[in-house]
Amino acid sequence: EIVLTQSPGTLSLSPGERATLSCRASQSVSSSYLAWYQQKPGQAPRLLIFGASSRATGIPDRFSGSGSGTDFTLTISRLEPEDFAVYYCQQYGSSPRFTFGPGTKVDFK
Amino acid sequence: EVQLVDSGGGLVQPGGSLRLSCAASGFTFSSYSINWVRQAPGKGLEWVSYISGSGSSIYFADSVKGRFTISSDYAKNSLYLQMNSLRAEDTAVYYCAREAYGDYWIDYWGQGTLVTVSS
Repeated sequence: EIVLTQSPGTLSLSPGERATLSCRASQSVSSSYLAWYQQKPGQAPRLLIFGASSRATGIPDRFSGSGSGTDFTLTISRLEPEDFAVYYCQQYGSSPRFTFGPGTKVDFK
Repeated sequence: EVQLVDSGGGLVQPGGSLRLSCAASGFTFSSYSINWVRQAPGKGLEWVSYISGSGSSIYFADSVKGRFTISSDYAKNSLYLQMNSLRAEDTAVYYCAREAYGDYWIDYWGQGTLVTVSS
């Protein structure tokens, strides 16, 4: 089973700053199988990035994904107030079907 | 508009049973695979179960295998998660979640339903 590790656990930033979130896999993951989600308190997760670097419908271009193999990155170029949330990376596998990282919380400095 | 509406959560005693429902609309239900994903209070996301659009393929996480079953009712465009022999560690918000067609991620989520296992 592939294990995903996210760092940092919490990222304290101010609006307008750049956020760089890391997701590391215990084994190589196909880029096609790597996605990122945003979750706000009391809400379901929302798909941000699929295939490691493609933005989902309606996602602003300040969100970008990159990486390959075992190291993937979600970057938010300039934080807006609505971007303060928890972010999860996810990989697709055979068993279990989906594995999620523990999440990175982006909060106000 | 794609919608997934989760229901059926509640308080149940350890060892008890509960059936969750997910009502789907806005897409061809039989063409999409659906998953259940749960989130314990203050914790991360955990995949629980999968059913293909045709119902021919079903998978479970090891943590629930043998205790949970999943099924679809195509006449009602609904998905069900039957949970038996519930344990305290099953306490979580349960989300039904649609897989993107032919792809490897979840594109739509229900709003979630809370299951609390406690005496």
